[in-house]
Amino acid sequence: RKEVEQDPGPFNVPEGATVAFNCTYSNSASQSFFWYRQDCRKEPKLLMSVYSSGNEDGRFTAQLNRASQYISLLIRDSKLSDSATYLCVVNGGGSNYKLTFGKGTLLTVNP
Amino acid sequence: GAVVSQHPSRVICKSGTSVKIECRSLDFQATTMFWYRQFPKKSLMLMATSNEGSKATYEQGVEKDKFLINHASLTLSTLTVTSAHPEDSSFYICSASEVLASTDTQYFGPGTRLTVL
Repeated sequence: RKEVEQDPGPFNVPEGATVAFNCTYSNSASQSFFWYRQDCRKEPKLLMSVYSSGNEDGRFTAQLNRASQYISLLIRDSKLSDSATYLCVVNGGGSNYKLTFGKGTLLTVNP
Repeated sequence: GAVVSQHPSRVICKSGTSVKIECRSLDFQATTMFWYRQFPKKSLMLMATSNEGSKATYEQGVEKDKFLINHASLTLSTLTVTSAHPEDSSFYICSASEVLASTDTQYFGPGTRLTVL
């Protein structure tokens, strides 16, 4: 099983659509979880951290299920500017701050 | 806040030369910096963890004598690709961790695109 596995994508959706990304991780000791977005030929940028209770930031909602080792990201009312690759990122657990990145899921929002 | 810079942003060099990439945390102190490499359409792969004042910790399969890392201060880490070859052509990205009590968020530099001819 890959350390961090994401939907392979790509996703093509119209503006205004709701889109969901799924991610699973294999290291049960992981304690920190993130979604990053990466634009073409740019560095990853933190979109949001993911907490056990679930968290929301505007149109973005992240969920974490530790028992299933599953993370999700929901984007509502998608905008053209949301087009990017979304990376599921997990840390090593304990004092291990090393991050493991999923391969990413490419989202294209069409007018 | 939490801005990380990298220099240069793009390098084209001949095979056999060495290339130095700098990573700086501009508005915070980073005791730990990380160096990643990303090939086209692939995920970021951690190369090494750089701790200020000590030797870097390299991931399995990464040659420490080829990828020299120096973390001389709390705001600067450098990666030197020695005797670069075309297969070293990649996108190199650093990140810095603002180690606070409650977060281990990493902030990424803009990356350095290396092309070895």
